[in-house]
Amino acid sequence: TQLLEQSPQFLSIQEGENLTVYCNSSSVFSSLQWYRQEPGEGPVLLVTVVTGGEVKKLKRLTFQFGDARKDSSLHITAAQPGDTGLYLCAGPCRNTGANSKLTFGKGITLSVRP
Amino acid sequence: GAVVSQHPSRVICKSGTSVKIECRSLDFQATTMFWYRQFPKKSLMLMATSNEGSKATYEQGVEKDKFLINHASLTLSTLTVTSAHPEDSSFYICSASDAGRNQPQHFGDGTRLSIL
Repeated sequence: TQLLEQSPQFLSIQEGENLTVYCNSSSVFSSLQWYRQEPGEGPVLLVTVVTGGEVKKLKRLTFQFGDARKDSSLHITAAQPGDTGLYLCAGPCRNTGANSKLTFGKGITLSVRP
Repeated sequence: GAVVSQHPSRVICKSGTSVKIECRSLDFQATTMFWYRQFPKKSLMLMATSNEGSKATYEQGVEKDKFLINHASLTLSTLTVTSAHPEDSSFYICSASDAGRNQPQHFGDGTRLSIL
């Protein structure tokens, strides 16, 4: 079973602070995806990382895929209250073809105080 | 971007009622759609994989007679919660992806089901 461990589970910070959260596994993934979900809504895709060592930026969010493709990090610079939400990482299950089902981490609940 | 529409967004029903939830891919064809259940402040739990033109594949522990899935076309999948009871109350979310490897899943906005 491919497991994704996300940490920390909960994070409460002040507006303007920087933060880094993690998504780790002992398994290799062909890709990892990060989603943000707000209460009462579905997850929204933020980024997909595919290549080991890849870094992708989305405004104040920086995503990195580990060299061995077993882990990923999300760094947020100068957090805003609008960044508040549940951050989920997910990766395709091994040995599945196109339209793979995903395995999800348990998520990171981020609260940014004004 | 890929858009997935889920309807209804909220349902409140009496115990014993059957409830149908629709999931549509609006601007792409989805040969596969996925149905998830999510408990408060928890991650998504995959219930079943819905394949167009064939039977759904259910995850272990999910009752296929309780949660009926139909994938009628390349843009529509439905989940019917049959004879719903209060313990079926939850947030149900569907997703779909374009064909091909490494294609991300795009999610609907979810359906809040409350059984009285």
